[in-house]
Amino acid sequence: KAGVTQTPRYLIKTRGQQVTLSCSPISGHRSVSWYQQTPGQGLQFLFEYFSETQRNKGNFPGRFSGRQFSNSRSEMNVSTLELGDSALYLCASSLTAGSGANVLTFGAGSRLTVL
Amino acid sequence: DQQVKQNSPSLSVQEGRISILNCDYTNSMFDYFLWYKKYPAEGPTFLISISSIKDKNEDGRFTVFLNKSAKHLSLHIVPSQPGDSAVYFCAAVNYGGATNKLIFGTGTLLAVQP
Repeated sequence: KAGVTQTPRYLIKTRGQQVTLSCSPISGHRSVSWYQQTPGQGLQFLFEYFSETQRNKGNFPGRFSGRQFSNSRSEMNVSTLELGDSALYLCASSLTAGSGANVLTFGAGSRLTVL
Repeated sequence: DQQVKQNSPSLSVQEGRISILNCDYTNSMFDYFLWYKKYPAEGPTFLISISSIKDKNEDGRFTVFLNKSAKHLSLHIVPSQPGDSAVYFCAAVNYGGATNKLIFGTGTLLAVQP
C-alpha cells in the first residue's frame, strides 16, 4: 500500500516567486492536512481538507493557500515568497476527520529553500 | 501562545536504560494525545496515543502516561535502543471538534548511546 507522496521533495526559489506543492494521500484517505516545520517551531498547522472542503486553517498569512481535488489529492501554494518561508512542508492523510481512530500518516515532506 | 510544550530540546540516555520524554499542554479542550517519531529526511511516524479518558497506554517498549490534572504527559521507552535515536514530537487534538488539527510541541531530540 503506497504511503503519502509529496512532490517535489526539494526545491529552491527566490524571494517574490510563488511555489506549488503537491500531496497524494494514501488510497482511500479523504482527509489531508498540511504542516510547516521550521527549526525551533516544531510543526505548525496550515490547513485541513476533507472531501474538497477546507475544514480548518492555521494562523498563516493569506499568501498560503491550498485546495483538494475530487480524488483527494491536495496542493498548497505560497505566493510572494519570503525568506522566512524556508521550511519543510509536510502533508498528512487520514481516513476521515475528527476521530481518535484516524491517526495521521505523514509524507516525507517538501523542503523549500527561499533565497 | 504555545499550547503544547516540550521543555527539553534534547535528551541523552544509555542503551538499555529508560528514556522519559515530557510534554505539557495548556488547553483543557484537548481530548487525545499522540507521540510521533521523526528521523532526518523523513516524515513523522506515529508511535503511540492516549485518550483523555485514560491515564496509561502501553505498546511494547513504549508507554504513555497522562496526568490530566497537571496537564502533563510523558513517554517512557524501556529499554532504550540506539535505533530509538530520533526527534520525538508530542501532539494534542480536540477530536470533539470534528477536526484532525494537531497541535505539536517543538520536539525532543533523543540520543541513545550504545
